[in-house]
Amino acid sequence: QKEVEQDPGPLSVPEGAIVSLNCTYSNSAFQYFMWYRQYSRKGPELLMYTYSSGNKEDGRFTAQVDKSSKYISLFIRDSQPSDSATYLCAMSNTGGFKTIFGAGTRLFVKA
Amino acid sequence: DAGVIQSPRHEVTEMGQEVTLRCKPISGHNSLFWYRQTMMRGLELLIYFNNNVPIDDSGMPEDRFSAKMPNASFSTLKIQPSEPRDSAVYFCASSSGQGASMFGELFFGEGSRLTVL
Repeated sequence: QKEVEQDPGPLSVPEGAIVSLNCTYSNSAFQYFMWYRQYSRKGPELLMYTYSSGNKEDGRFTAQVDKSSKYISLFIRDSQPSDSATYLCAMSNTGGFKTIFGAGTRLFVKA
Repeated sequence: DAGVIQSPRHEVTEMGQEVTLRCKPISGHNSLFWYRQTMMRGLELLIYFNNNVPIDDSGMPEDRFSAKMPNASFSTLKIQPSEPRDSAVYFCASSSGQGASMFGELFFGEGSRLTVL
C-alpha cells in the first residue's frame, strides 16, 4: 500500500463548477498537509498548506484535513480554465524533511 | 531570485551511458531534494540534503544512482550506467526553514527530462 493515495483522474469540469480533489494516507505521523499545483512541463508550486486537522481558505481554494479518517481534500470554487493543471497532495512529518507526494490529479476546466 | 535552476532541461542518451543532472538551489536555502516523476509512480523522493550533508537516500533506486552536494550552491545527480527504465523527469527542489516545528515550502526547478534509448 502506498503511503499516499490519490486518484490520477483526469477530471474534466465546465467553467464555474466546484471541484473536489481528495487524498488518503496511511502514516499517522504526518502533521503538515500540502497541495501543490503543477502546470504542464513545469515544476510543482505550493498552493496552500495546513498544519494538523482543520480547514484553511484562500480565495477560491479551501483545504480540509481530517486526521481521524486520514483524508484530505481541496475544493476549488468557481473553477476557471486557468485552474487546469495537475494537483498533487503532499504530506510531511513534524520535521518536514521528507515530503511524500500523491500521484497527482489532472484537472481540465473547459471554457 | 532566479529560482532553482536545473540543467540540462532535456537529455536523450543511449543505454549504458553516464548521465549527470545539475541543480543550483535558491541562495540561502539549506535543504535540497532530488525527486523523480513518472506517469506510473508519480513524484518520488530520491535523496535530500541538509546543509550539504545527505540525510536520507533511501529513495535512490540502486547503486547506479549517486548524488553529491559539494557546496551550498550546487548539486549533481548521476546515473551510471543509464537504463531505459530511468527515463523520467528529474526535479530538484530547495527549501529553507526545515525543522522540528517549522514548515518548509519546497521550491522546484523546471525539471530535467531524461530519455534513455
